[in-house]
Amino acid sequence: EDQVTQSPEALRLQEGESSSLNCSYTVSGLRGLFWYRQDPGKGPEFLFTLYSAGEEKEKERLKATLTKKESFLHITAPKPEDSATYLCAVQFDNYGQNFVFGPGTRLSVLP
Amino acid sequence: DAGVIQSPRHEVTEMGQEVTLRCKPISGHNSLFWYRQTMMRGLELLIYFNNNVPIDDSGMPEDRFSAKMPNASFSTLKIQPSEPRDSAVYFCASSSSNYGYTFGSGTRLTVV
Repeated sequence: EDQVTQSPEALRLQEGESSSLNCSYTVSGLRGLFWYRQDPGKGPEFLFTLYSAGEEKEKERLKATLTKKESFLHITAPKPEDSATYLCAVQFDNYGQNFVFGPGTRLSVLP
Repeated sequence: DAGVIQSPRHEVTEMGQEVTLRCKPISGHNSLFWYRQTMMRGLELLIYFNNNVPIDDSGMPEDRFSAKMPNASFSTLKIQPSEPRDSAVYFCASSSSNYGYTFGSGTRLTVV
């Protein structure tokens, strides 16, 4: 069965303390991997799409990378406003337009 | 573009009542998705439509749940009768081709 897992479940960082979030998947044909940010009381907000191993995308303090079995979301010198839940979602070949979401990582950045 | 619009934002209803959630997708998006989010289970796909046609409804919990998409600009998710375990945040999302979804702000449903 295709599955998506994320680690850690929760992460607390000091402002400026860089770290990485992990998204791992078992897959029978990856079409794309997506990262989302979700703030409390809001819907997930699209961040990045990655399609092939070795691909990287950057946006401000965030950088997403992809290997054959996992993706990392690197956060460089985070600020308190980066606090949110980060979700990854995977689109598989046999799932049509559907995405399978991971459980998310709750990130807290303390000033 | 106003994004994906959901209504109502909050709904409190008594057990046994019918609940209807509404969604207006982004114009030009050909796929629409209904998700449910809870602390215990995270984001779960309930049903998705492609070009107004239901493609996969295997995530619909039971016959109490039904969804329709009468045209490209409107969809409803109905729960009848509602139960306390249906309490969750329900999200609608739309997309085109292989781009990431755009989510609405969600409807927080509380069934008492």
